[in-house]
Amino acid sequence: DAKTTQPTSMDCAEGRAANLPCNHSTISGNEYVYWYRQIHSQGPQYIIHGLKNNETNEMASLIITEDRKSSTLILPHATLRDTAVYYCIVRVVSGGSNYKLTFGKGTLLTVNP
Amino acid sequence: NAGVMQNPRHLVRRRGQEARLRCSPMKGHSHVYWYRQLPEEGLKFMVYLQKENIIDESGMPKERFSAEFPKEGPSILRIQQVVRGDSAAYFCASSPPTGGSSYNEQFFGPGTRLTVL
Repeated sequence: DAKTTQPTSMDCAEGRAANLPCNHSTISGNEYVYWYRQIHSQGPQYIIHGLKNNETNEMASLIITEDRKSSTLILPHATLRDTAVYYCIVRVVSGGSNYKLTFGKGTLLTVNP
Repeated sequence: NAGVMQNPRHLVRRRGQEARLRCSPMKGHSHVYWYRQLPEEGLKFMVYLQKENIIDESGMPKERFSAEFPKEGPSILRIQQVVRGDSAAYFCASSPPTGGSSYNEQFFGPGTRLTVL
């Protein structure tokens, strides 16, 4: 799986949009971009994933650049409960050992009141 | 539908004792995955099991660690003769049966925090 690079930490004001970047310059054509988050002392929680089109669900939006070398996770209206470590993961979806999720150190997002 | 359940949530063992961590997957899920998270690090894959079968244990330490997922009952991660370096959070995830080689989303449990004194 391609490696990812994320900032170590970010701050965001409550109610504002949180934009979390991720670089994945070595991503392959059959690799998706996944985002998970881990709130303190809990298990990881799936947020969203995409291949090349922008995606949106009830939790967040995912913007993937046209060359697919980077992406941004957007939490449109951050709340205090969104304070967590956010992990960007790229992985093939089928074949091989695609079930292995490789977590890096992620970005610690702190939402401030 | 209850989520993935793990117990105990916290486990304290002295060096040399055995640790048994249990994971009950979500209803209808037949695939279980174990991950370990050392302090200040990301999660690392350990093992992937289906009912009564170990599919991939490439992330398991070669000694003292074993895992099973019997036909009935929870999946068990067993650590024999624990050492201080085994202190970590152990997470279990589950997914439903796959229709082919496609991936199914993994749902994580709350984890078991093992402390070795």
